[in-house]
Amino acid sequence: DTGVSQDPRHKITKRGQNVTFRCDPISEHNRLYWYRQTLGQGPEFLTYFQNEAQLEKSRLLSDRFSAERPKGSFSTLEIQRTEQGDSAMYLCASSLVAQQETQYFGPGTRLLVL
Amino acid sequence: AQSVTQLDSQVPVFEEAPVELRCNYSSSVSVYLFWYVQYPNQGLQLLLKYLSGSTLVESINGFEAEFNKSQTSFHLRKPSVHISDTAEYFCAVLDTGRRALTFGSGTRLQVQP
Repeated sequence: DTGVSQDPRHKITKRGQNVTFRCDPISEHNRLYWYRQTLGQGPEFLTYFQNEAQLEKSRLLSDRFSAERPKGSFSTLEIQRTEQGDSAMYLCASSLVAQQETQYFGPGTRLLVL
Repeated sequence: AQSVTQLDSQVPVFEEAPVELRCNYSSSVSVYLFWYVQYPNQGLQLLLKYLSGSTLVESINGFEAEFNKSQTSFHLRKPSVHISDTAEYFCAVLDTGRRALTFGSGTRLQVQP
């Protein structure tokens, strides 16, 4: 069990650029989640997948944000036309339906938009 | 809608002293509660959880939390803290319909020698 991994760990970009983050869940975990955490706050839910289906999206997920999980394994989160307000830690988590609702988190990708 | 309130943003405590980190929640459905810990520049690690059964749940490193339905609370306690317990602690409640965790704003535990 290698845990949830995320890539990159850090990303600095200029306003207006597009960025893409990757999340690899724990092997065989069928649920995958994205959260955003700003400084001094708890994480906020963005979206979740069960296998390849995106089943829930938060209102926080504006049209500039898109997430995919094409084969039910890894997931990508893309932010188009980044804004300074997008600067945050983006956390990925995964869970197995049979394991009592427990979400396991990755180390996160810290995004800074200049 | 569910919500979580962590009343204390920071809790300074001396090593080997007891500590309590407070968490209150609001939920209109079945309650699943969690405590996560976040060390600097790291992701969240699950500390303990309440899903059903005994209202007192324990972690492997000496923390415990008690689910109190009448007080809508899930406070985290440790009888004797170590320097290594210094971290940010987040309480969360699960929305079983949306599968989303709602987190509190966190409590920074600062253990001093």
